[in-house]
Amino acid sequence: GQNIDQPTEMTATEGAIVQINCTYQTSGFNGLFWYQQHAGEAPTFLSYNVLDGLEETGRFSSFLSRSKGYSYLLLKELQMKDSASYLCAVRDFPLYSSASKIIFGSGTRLSIRP
Amino acid sequence: DVKVTQSSRYLVKRTGEKVFLECVQDMDHENMFWYRQDPGLGLRLIYFSYDVKMKEKGDIPEGYSVSREKKERFSLILESASTNQTSMYLCASSKRTNTEAFFGQGTRLTVV
Repeated sequence: GQNIDQPTEMTATEGAIVQINCTYQTSGFNGLFWYQQHAGEAPTFLSYNVLDGLEETGRFSSFLSRSKGYSYLLLKELQMKDSASYLCAVRDFPLYSSASKIIFGSGTRLSIRP
Repeated sequence: DVKVTQSSRYLVKRTGEKVFLECVQDMDHENMFWYRQDPGLGLRLIYFSYDVKMKEKGDIPEGYSVSREKKERFSLILESASTNQTSMYLCASSKRTNTEAFFGQGTRLTVV
């Protein structure tokens, strides 16, 4: 089966840095995604990792260690608009399957205080 | 820009009704997904499809079925709606591998 764990809630201060961790277990790992979701809206794509290491896109970075089943999303220079839920998702492509599927964690609700 | 469109933003249906949720994407994506999202439970995969007429069960398929007669359209069917199917339903699409999924705006379904 598959399992994705991330903290339920986090709080950080405007201008600071926050790291949101994600651990996963899948039978056919084929990439890890981070999405941002504001209340009442659809998730929007932030980053994608398929190889070990760090991917940077502006204020956001995402790290992957496949051997540890671990990823984190790093948000720098936090702004009030970064208050949202952050969803860790894994593309799972088991050997027995004809297709890959994308499985989500429960999400981390991040609150930014002034 | 990729566009994934769900037919309704809000729906209210009665218990026992047959409900159709429609999703259309315009980027020729092979994969399409239906999720439901509930507080504290995150997005849970109901069904997905990797080609026309091809489908696979996700984690919570009970009480649902799907149809993919054309590549751009993926329908979720609630055979007999129940109150525990009140939820936000999200459709997504992606290319076959190694790329992200794009989401529709969601359908908030209330079953009374």
